[in-house]
Amino acid sequence: QQQVKQSPQSLIVQKGGIPIINCAYENTAFDYFPWYQQFPGKGPALLIAIRPDVSEKKEGRFTISFNKSAKQFSLHIMDSQPGDSATYFCAASQRAAGNKLTFGGGTRVLVKP
Amino acid sequence: NAGVTQTPKFQVLKTGQSMTLQCAQDMNHEYMSWYRQDPGMGLRLIHYSVGAGITDQGEVPNGYNVSRSTTEDFPLRLLSAAPSQTSVYFCASTPDRGSYEQYFGPGTRLTVT
Repeated sequence: QQQVKQSPQSLIVQKGGIPIINCAYENTAFDYFPWYQQFPGKGPALLIAIRPDVSEKKEGRFTISFNKSAKQFSLHIMDSQPGDSATYFCAASQRAAGNKLTFGGGTRVLVKP
Repeated sequence: NAGVTQTPKFQVLKTGQSMTLQCAQDMNHEYMSWYRQDPGMGLRLIHYSVGAGITDQGEVPNGYNVSRSTTEDFPLRLLSAAPSQTSVYFCASTPDRGSYEQYFGPGTRLTVT
């Protein structure tokens, strides 16, 4: 039973396009929602994160939108570049459970020049 | 700082063999974790440790053992390798249990034949 469901599995966009990745969660006790970026042959690295009391967070070209009532959150990559080509994972954690991360299945994003 | 290091990078085992995946961090982080990454499954927590001498099971602990004798090292042991353990293994560390960001190592790609 996957507690964090991520879609789509893969995405191809042209340079300058806006890839959008969606995640849905079931556990309403989750209180931290990070996105990790992973390049081939590397470990994941934290990209951006949001808490459920905020509906949107922007860091550079990356934006998280959060809908608490729908239990959904999404990542938008504005003005995407070929260097953004990577696998993106959403995740969720709960402070009361020791901040253990539960990951979505991942989305492979390819940005064509 | 080297951050989180993992050895080996690649390993091939025969069914039934045992081995230890090494993980070390030089950031004096209290919290360390092991994940496995499989296509479409994201990263799943195997075992974690909140400090030297303290370990606990994650989501998929069967077939794996861990120990934490020092703050720096957190080895993962495969007792009797099975083809189902073919995966990419990541070690991660977090400053303490109250911190959210996890710092990942580069991974070990394990194939069990």
